[in-house]
Amino acid sequence: QKEVEQDPGPLSVPEGAIVSLNCTYSNSAFQYFMWYRQYSRKGPELLMYTYSSGNKEDGRFTAQVDKSSKYISLFIRDSQPSDSATYLCAMRGYAGGTSYGKLTFGQGTILTVHP
Amino acid sequence: DSGVTQTPKHLITATGQRVTLRCSPRSGDLSVYWYQQSLDQGLQFLIQYYNGEERAKGNILERFSAQQFPDLHSELNLSSLELGDSALYFCASSEYGASYEQYFGPGTRLTVT
Repeated sequence: QKEVEQDPGPLSVPEGAIVSLNCTYSNSAFQYFMWYRQYSRKGPELLMYTYSSGNKEDGRFTAQVDKSSKYISLFIRDSQPSDSATYLCAMRGYAGGTSYGKLTFGQGTILTVHP
Repeated sequence: DSGVTQTPKHLITATGQRVTLRCSPRSGDLSVYWYQQSLDQGLQFLIQYYNGEERAKGNILERFSAQQFPDLHSELNLSSLELGDSALYFCASSEYGASYEQYFGPGTRLTVT
């Protein structure tokens, strides 16, 4: 079983829809939770990060972390065709030990927003 | 553009061969990370260097090795290549050793035939 599980989709929604992307994880040592966005033929880029449990909002994007359920979500409001990309969740424990800066990624969810 | 450069963009080689992938981090970044991305495994962490020293290791095969040079650029060496090594190889960099924000390069697409 993978440490981080993410439904690969693909997910297709009409422009303006609310999109919900989710990941579950099994490693209770994870403390930092990130969402990266990857456009086709490009490297991933950081979209949002959250430390421990709670919500974080940035424009049309909201990240939620529920450590008790080991579940994280990314919501995209008023989705746009330019949001079409692969969304990867990523996680990290505290720095130190053999993991240090290692990020553990989910499989990625392919999202298409059609006009 | 993240500021991280990787060369070459594409590489096609035969089984059993050895290749070297090169990465230049963003100016001022001391950490370099290598990841492998394939359809079945997703994005997998291979290894991290910080200011020339190895700091973290993932599921990197013994046939693979990496190093970070004094000018902070890094190279990933892949030897005795197998068909299953075909993948996208990304380099990422960050200012500190344990940053959640890693800046990814455009990747090197390796095809082993």
